[in-house]
Amino acid sequence: GQNIDQPTEMTATEGAIVQINCTYQTSGFNGLFWYQQHAGEAPTFLSYNVLDGLEEKGRFSSFLSRSKGYSYLLLKELQMKDSASYLCAEMDSNYQLIWGAGTKLIIKP
Amino acid sequence: IAGITQAPTSQILAAGRRMTLRCTQDMRHNAMYWYRQDLGLGLRLIHYSNTAGTTGKGEVPDGYSVSRANTDDFPLTLASAVPSQTSVYFCASSDSGGGTGELFFGEGSRLTVL
Repeated sequence: GQNIDQPTEMTATEGAIVQINCTYQTSGFNGLFWYQQHAGEAPTFLSYNVLDGLEEKGRFSSFLSRSKGYSYLLLKELQMKDSASYLCAEMDSNYQLIWGAGTKLIIKP
Repeated sequence: IAGITQAPTSQILAAGRRMTLRCTQDMRHNAMYWYRQDLGLGLRLIHYSNTAGTTGKGEVPDGYSVSRANTDDFPLTLASAVPSQTSVYFCASSDSGGGTGELFFGEGSRLTVL
């Protein structure tokens, strides 16, 4: 089966670090994406992982463990503008994206 | 036009009416997609097109049809709208259909079927 799990909502403090986890279950795997979506707006691409390990891109990093079916998005030095939903998506064996429901991140001052 | 454009941005529609959501991209991307986004659910693929002249069914195709006459345009048609089709619809494109290209999304079309 194909199932993407991520927490529904998280709260963090401005300036802090937050880790958003995502687990997936599929027989075929062609990569793991993270997208950011501000309320009322379109999703925008953050990261793509196909190999195990950590990919760092400024304040955002994404990690993948294929053997565990697990990824996380790490956001450092949180800013108020980081308040958004973060969508995890796995690319399956047919190169189609299977999307999680998203994690709403609330940043408090 | 810059990127991917959807129209209309919002529409209220009576059940049983026909509706076409328009999507145009100027990035010369081969692949285009239509998703619907509902509260508490992930984006669900309705239809896709890997290249002009070809289309395919996604996860939730029933009640929807698409066409891809050229590279730039990918309209989505609801032949006879029903209330369960109330949703936010996103069109997206990528430059590597069937590959691992990043998706570029339009701003969305909010459709309400009464």
